[in-house]
Amino acid sequence: EIQLLESGGGLVQPGGSLRLSCAGSGFTFRSYPMSWVRQAPGKGLEWVAGISGSAGSTYYADSVKGRFTVSRDNSENTLYLLMNSLRAEDTALYYCAIPPYNKSPYYFQQWGQGTLLTVSS
Amino acid sequence: DIQMTQSPSIVSASVGDRVTITCRASQTINSWLAWYQQKPGKAPKVLIYDASKLESGVPSRFSGGGSGTEFTLTISNLQPDDFATYSCQQYYIYWTFGQGTKVEIK
Repeated sequence: EIQLLESGGGLVQPGGSLRLSCAGSGFTFRSYPMSWVRQAPGKGLEWVAGISGSAGSTYYADSVKGRFTVSRDNSENTLYLLMNSLRAEDTALYYCAIPPYNKSPYYFQQWGQGTLLTVSS
Repeated sequence: DIQMTQSPSIVSASVGDRVTITCRASQTINSWLAWYQQKPGKAPKVLIYDASKLESGVPSRFSGGGSGTEFTLTISNLQPDDFATYSCQQYYIYWTFGQGTKVEIK
């Protein structure tokens, strides 16, 4: 069974930094591109960042470009999101998600349960 | 950037009703569209992909249609478990979601 488990969320002051993690199990981690998707309280879903299986390519939404960095450690089956210069509007539940195997272009078939980031003074 | 616009934002319906939600893309996305169902406090669950293909395990009362810029999600014979928020997503160029449609009890 595929499992994605996010962690690392919390309360951060504006301008601060935080790193989120997503541990994957039940699948060949390095074979899947992965993404971060967030949902602000009471709002819709927003794709944030993505990374290829080999980590050779990364992609970012304009709203986070230059502030967030997505990375992965395939030896540890873990996806990361390093978030700098945090703003109140980054407050959201952050999900990691993966597509079906070998699907291109792809949608998100499996999701974690999310980790909550709150940016507030 | 591709914008996705759903209508309506809220649908009030009864068990047994047929519900149709529309999603419009700001440019053509061929058939690269998915529909998700989300319940409070839970992660999204994919229902439909490639505009009209039913994800494994999803009841056949859910169906999707359309191509290009106009898409629909139809729920036939609405069941109590179907009251939730539904979102479309394009995956033609990166990934963009619609703002969501809440299906509530009438």
